[in-house]
Amino acid sequence: AQSVSQHNHHVILSEAASLELGCNYSYGGTVNLFWYVQYPGQHLQLLLKYFSGDPLVKGIKGFEAEFIKSKFSFNLRKPSVQWSDTAEYFCALITGTASKLTFGTGTRLQVTL
Amino acid sequence: GAGVSQSPSNKVTEKGKDVELRCDPISGHTALYWYRQSLGQGLEFLIYFQGNSAPDKSGLPSDRFSAERTGGSVSTLTIQRTQQEDSAVYLCASSPGTSGRNTQYFGPGTRLTVL
Repeated sequence: AQSVSQHNHHVILSEAASLELGCNYSYGGTVNLFWYVQYPGQHLQLLLKYFSGDPLVKGIKGFEAEFIKSKFSFNLRKPSVQWSDTAEYFCALITGTASKLTFGTGTRLQVTL
Repeated sequence: GAGVSQSPSNKVTEKGKDVELRCDPISGHTALYWYRQSLGQGLEFLIYFQGNSAPDKSGLPSDRFSAERTGGSVSTLTIQRTQQEDSAVYLCASSPGTSGRNTQYFGPGTRLTVL
């Protein structure tokens, strides 16, 4: 069965620092990859997604992620974080022709002023 | 436009009682999903519906859990004889179809507490 691993459970950064959140998955076939974000008190919303083509995908609010097939990774990056980026970030995948999302355990990002 | 809505936002119940959680998907979305978010298990898939096809129930944790979708729109998740381990936030999502490339839009969730 497929799985998603997010090794950073809690990350604390100062404003303007660069961000990279790790995401690795376990599945040998075709995958669609997603990053969702949950701001405090809000519902899950999509940051970005990858299906095929250019492995570097750009999302909302200056986030980007790079799909590296050989490493089974889909890390999330942002050059300069803001206090408003404080949230929980979830990496997820959909395999092959399936429809259900398989989520990682999430990374809580805290940005300090 | 209106997003996915869920009711109630919070539900406190006693162990052994039945509960019903409601989801109103985005208008026109044919696919509807239920997930559960709990401290011990993270975010996990429960069930999804696509149009008039038989639902994929592969994520339901026990036969105490069931769901239906009436008229291809509103869905109700029912938990019978609730247990303390059922305490979680139950999330509903909808999408235009079940292609893995469709974005799933999530509702605010129902926080269920079983005493």
